[in-house]
Amino acid sequence: GESVGLHLPTLSVQEGDNSIINCAYSNSASDYFIWYKQESGKGPQFIIDIRSNMDKRQGQRVTVLLNKTVKHLSLQIAATQPGDSAVYFCAENPPGYSTLTFGKGTMLLVSP
Amino acid sequence: ETGVTQTPRHLVMGMTNKKSLKCEQHLGHNAMYWYKQSAKKPLELMFVYSLEERVENNSVPSRFSPECPNSSHLFLHLHTLQPEDSALYLCASTGQKGEKLFFGSGTQLSVL
Repeated sequence: GESVGLHLPTLSVQEGDNSIINCAYSNSASDYFIWYKQESGKGPQFIIDIRSNMDKRQGQRVTVLLNKTVKHLSLQIAATQPGDSAVYFCAENPPGYSTLTFGKGTMLLVSP
Repeated sequence: ETGVTQTPRHLVMGMTNKKSLKCEQHLGHNAMYWYKQSAKKPLELMFVYSLEERVENNSVPSRFSPECPNSSHLFLHLHTLQPEDSALYLCASTGQKGEKLFFGSGTQLSVL
């Protein structure tokens, strides 16, 4: 079936580096995408979202890029900090579904 | 704080016990969800309530019984659970189905 997946289960970076977390989605009709951050012992927290009529959207230190041609979504975190260490999920909104479909997540580890 | 509060944060129960998980949202949303999060798996949708009416049940075993008395409160009643039901149970709400979900911190459930 169609699903959302992540290329890298774990990403380790040094503090101050830029991080890129990737996500492949398989439903070409999805029109809304979102990134969540989940710290240990907490629920997922919204980071940034993007609609399919956009290729790029920027937030505070984060940028989401959408490539509809290859069905790829990425999250870029600038000047990564230890507090960014968490699991990051992407999710899509396939048509006909009442809620988001989530990927497995990528663990981001930031070393001081 | 996301505006979604779950209690208890942790729960240990035997297979013959009956317990309930509680969720309350203070965001004025009209849809609420129960998700199950197991290790190394994507978030699994269990139940969806929209305007206090259950609209999706995703083939969840009958030992899980949801209740939505009003648009702000959601319960998950548990009875005769199995050890494989041990997981983090997350509640979420949204003001528009298929878009950004606001999650609670979850209840970490251990079934002995």
